[in-house]
Amino acid sequence: EVQLVESGGDLVQPGLSLRLSCITSGFTFGDYAMSWVRQAPGKGLEWVAFIRSEAYGVTPDYAASVKGRFTISRDDSQSIAYLQMNSLKTEDTAVYYCSRVSYYYDSSGYYIPGPNDYWGQGTLVTVSS
Amino acid sequence: EIVLTQSPGTLSLSPGERATLSCRASQRVGSSYLAWYQQRPGQAPRLLIYGASSRATGIPDRFSGRGFGTDFTLSINRLAPEDFAVYYCQLYGSFPRTFGQGTKLEIK
Repeated sequence: EVQLVESGGDLVQPGLSLRLSCITSGFTFGDYAMSWVRQAPGKGLEWVAFIRSEAYGVTPDYAASVKGRFTISRDDSQSIAYLQMNSLKTEDTAVYYCSRVSYYYDSSGYYIPGPNDYWGQGTLVTVSS
Repeated sequence: EIVLTQSPGTLSLSPGERATLSCRASQRVGSSYLAWYQQRPGQAPRLLIYGASSRATGIPDRFSGRGFGTDFTLSINRLAPEDFAVYYCQLYGSFPRTFGQGTKLEIK
C-alpha cells in the first residue's frame, strides 16, 4: 500500500524557518518524482515545488511565490522528501501536502512526469507573530 | 504562464443527476496534460483523471473527462452522495503545474 506521511508543521513567526518531511512507503521511491502542494485555509490548491527522480537529474522546480525561499530535496536511501522553508511569510500559512508523481508515456510517446497520483494527509504550517 | 479557469464556481445538483464541470486554459495545453482531482472536506485531494480523459486506478466509470486544446470537461454520471466535493483541474505538462480555482459540487 502506497503511503505518504508529512510531518514538521508548526506555528512559526514570520522570517523564521521550518523543514517539512514526507516519509513514504509501499513503492520504489527512487523511481518517482515528488511534489509539494499547499492549501491556505478555505482556499484552493497551489503547487509549490517539484523534484525529479535521480534518473532525470534530481532537478527542482518552484512556484514563483516561493522561489529563492523554499528548497525541495530528497533522500532516496530513506524514501523521504523534504521541503525546507526559509524567510517564512504570513501568506505561507497553509496545509502542505506531499504527493507522488509517476512518469508515464504520453500519446506522443514521450516519457513525462504525470499528475500527482498519491497524496499524504497534509501538515499545517501557521506563520504568525 | 497558463491560467486555468474553472466554471461554475458552485454547482447545485441532486443525487442521481449528471454533473458537467468545465476547465478552460488561457493557452493551448500540449498533448492534453490535464488532470482532475476530487477533494472531500477534511481530506487530501484524490486523482480522478489524467491525460484529459484517462481514469486513474480505482476510479468508477461514472467519471469521465474529455477535451483538447483549451477546453476541458469533467462529467459525473448518476451522482452519488460521496461525489459532492470540490473538484480541481491541473496542468502538469510544464511548469508551473497550475491548478484551477476549483468547482464546488453541492447537494441541491
